[in-house]
Amino acid sequence: NAGVTQTPKFQVLKTGQSMTLQCAQDMNHEYMSWYRQDPGMGLRLIHYSVGAGITDQGEVPNGYNVSRSTTEDFPLRLLSAAPSQTSVYFCASSPRWEGVANYGYTFGSGTRLTVV
Amino acid sequence: AQSVSQHNHHVILSEAASLELGCNYSYGGTVNLFWYVQYPGQHLQLLLKYFSGDPLVKGIKGFEAEFIKSKFSFNLRKPSVQWSDTAEYFCAVNARSGANAGKSTFGDGTTLTVKP
Repeated sequence: NAGVTQTPKFQVLKTGQSMTLQCAQDMNHEYMSWYRQDPGMGLRLIHYSVGAGITDQGEVPNGYNVSRSTTEDFPLRLLSAAPSQTSVYFCASSPRWEGVANYGYTFGSGTRLTVV
Repeated sequence: AQSVSQHNHHVILSEAASLELGCNYSYGGTVNLFWYVQYPGQHLQLLLKYFSGDPLVKGIKGFEAEFIKSKFSFNLRKPSVQWSDTAEYFCAVNARSGANAGKSTFGDGTTLTVKP
């Protein structure tokens, strides 16, 4: 089915480990972004991309890296996991950044990450 | 920078009661406004959106929202809630242009519990 696919759904990491959260969309969307969801804090933007080869920081980028080598994929890398990064991570996409007005975001099903 | 405030963190209603969830935003320019719903264990889904025209917008499942520019508000309403409306509701705003264009800012969310 067309949409945004995130893997894994659940992950437990030890402090200091690194990992990559995968996000892929098959809708040819130009705009992709990563949010983290924490209780009582809503969703906060980590990084976003307006097209292949272009990325930029959001509200809470520290400790995370992204790259956008293809239109379809937008992986999020945790360089050295910390307990403060325990959260639910959502990938979201939209046809174009200005297309958010018309279409809103399509969200993936989320990755629940626990750092111990 | 834009910000979103959702005043009710947790709302408990009985079935058939009317619902109104408050959302206020702060931003000096023109914005697009959204409501997303997150059912238990699921990802966020777009409920409705406003970007121009009639300030009263209708979404899926009988929800509607009214944009009142003078009050910077975009409240979500439903005349008669059902048990299946139990979910978390997020208001979001993004600027139409400028550095923040396309980057949605989310409120902290309102948890709605509908008692059968």
